[in-house]
Amino acid sequence: DSGVTQTPKHLITATGQRVTLRCSPRSGDLSVYWYQQSLDQGLQFLIQYYNGEERAKGNILERFSAQQFPDLHSELNLSSLELGDSALYFCASSVDPGATEAFFGQGTRLTVV
Amino acid sequence: QKEVEQDPGPLSVPEGAIVSLNCTYSNSAFQYFMWYRQYSRKGPELLMYTYSSGNKEDGRFTAQVDKSSKYISLFIRDSQPSDSATYLCAMSGLGGATNKLIFGTGTLLAVQP
Repeated sequence: DSGVTQTPKHLITATGQRVTLRCSPRSGDLSVYWYQQSLDQGLQFLIQYYNGEERAKGNILERFSAQQFPDLHSELNLSSLELGDSALYFCASSVDPGATEAFFGQGTRLTVV
Repeated sequence: QKEVEQDPGPLSVPEGAIVSLNCTYSNSAFQYFMWYRQYSRKGPELLMYTYSSGNKEDGRFTAQVDKSSKYISLFIRDSQPSDSATYLCAMSGLGGATNKLIFGTGTLLAVQP
């Protein structure tokens, strides 16, 4: 168990809908990262937060947004969902952006039908 | 062209074999090189971390980085069925080892008993 908790584990929703994925980082970790894993693209970096502030952005779609709350948990919001958004979404955390290791959660499997 | 290229496999070897996994990359700014292991339905976990060029050994695992050739390798000695997993190379540049990690697509390894 990495100590990173993601909910829900599975999510099935229809096209056009909006969902929220939740992540609780390891105790003491200030940095949170979101990744998308699909069969054709592999693991893709979406966005990073550090102590509540956005720190770095990857190839995150405009339909996606995220935030990190004062208690350090993070949420990834996906809206106007398309079939191609079906993927595994991972959250990872580290003590800070300079840490040598990021700890990954178990992921949320999103299926858009 | 992707920044990081990795042969997806699958790679099937008999128990006890030496396994060689490789990645090539194109971005000269990468300074941190990692190997993550991902079991089915789980999040990735850090296996090996190397900064800049050189070799690093940890038990049955050896990581090599050749920055001049933009080539990294992971060797597994005396492979075990429990090593069966997807192995992902990952890299990052300035900003730290966990900052905007770029992953390879992963190589699926099966060690046959």
